[in-house]
Amino acid sequence: TQLLEQSPQFLSIQEGENLTVYCNSSSVFSSLQWYRQEPGEGPVLLVTVVTGGEVKKLKRLTFQFGDARKDSSLHITAAQPGDTGLYLCAGVKGGYQKVTFGTGTKLQVIP
Amino acid sequence: GAGVSQSPSNKVTEKGKDVELRCDPISGHTALYWYRQSLGQGLEFLIYFQGNSAPDKSGLPSDRFSAERTGGSVSTLTIQRTQQEDSAVYLCASSWSGGARWGEQFFGPGTRLTVL
Repeated sequence: TQLLEQSPQFLSIQEGENLTVYCNSSSVFSSLQWYRQEPGEGPVLLVTVVTGGEVKKLKRLTFQFGDARKDSSLHITAAQPGDTGLYLCAGVKGGYQKVTFGTGTKLQVIP
Repeated sequence: GAGVSQSPSNKVTEKGKDVELRCDPISGHTALYWYRQSLGQGLEFLIYFQGNSAPDKSGLPSDRFSAERTGGSVSTLTIQRTQQEDSAVYLCASSWSGGARWGEQFFGPGTRLTVL
């Protein structure tokens, strides 16, 4: 059973367009992380959100944690070819439970 | 500072042979994870070590897979009698435990395993 579902699974857009990636779960998480992975490398942490309703901005990227802490979204404004990669959300529960990764969204930004 | 390192970076082996993959986590990180990733796919959880607790082995796909973590630091993932479907990139990650940064994972570059 996949606890964290991401949508869309694949996204191919033109440079300059906006996009939103969703990460949904029926479980409550104490925090949620977003990672980006480029070909041939390991994922790299972009942000962690910990409070329901929290919004964090990282340049053109905006991350939001749902009020009920069950879902999150990543919005990219004016996408650039450098944004191309695999985007992964990951949920953290209380205690020393393992981190659970989402299904992933593969983004391609065409120049 | 030193990040997570993995060795070898690439491993080509013949079907039926055993392989060992090594992970050196960031010093001070008590949690260590192994994942498997097929080309262009998401991460498949394999095993999770947290301090001195018994590891969570729930993701290991078969009894051919095993892992250990010695002295709470270096970890080795062993695959016995490799099969072609074992071909993938094996990623290791370590993280802090406790505090606001709990669970934030730092990944190594991965080991690309090819079983011929």
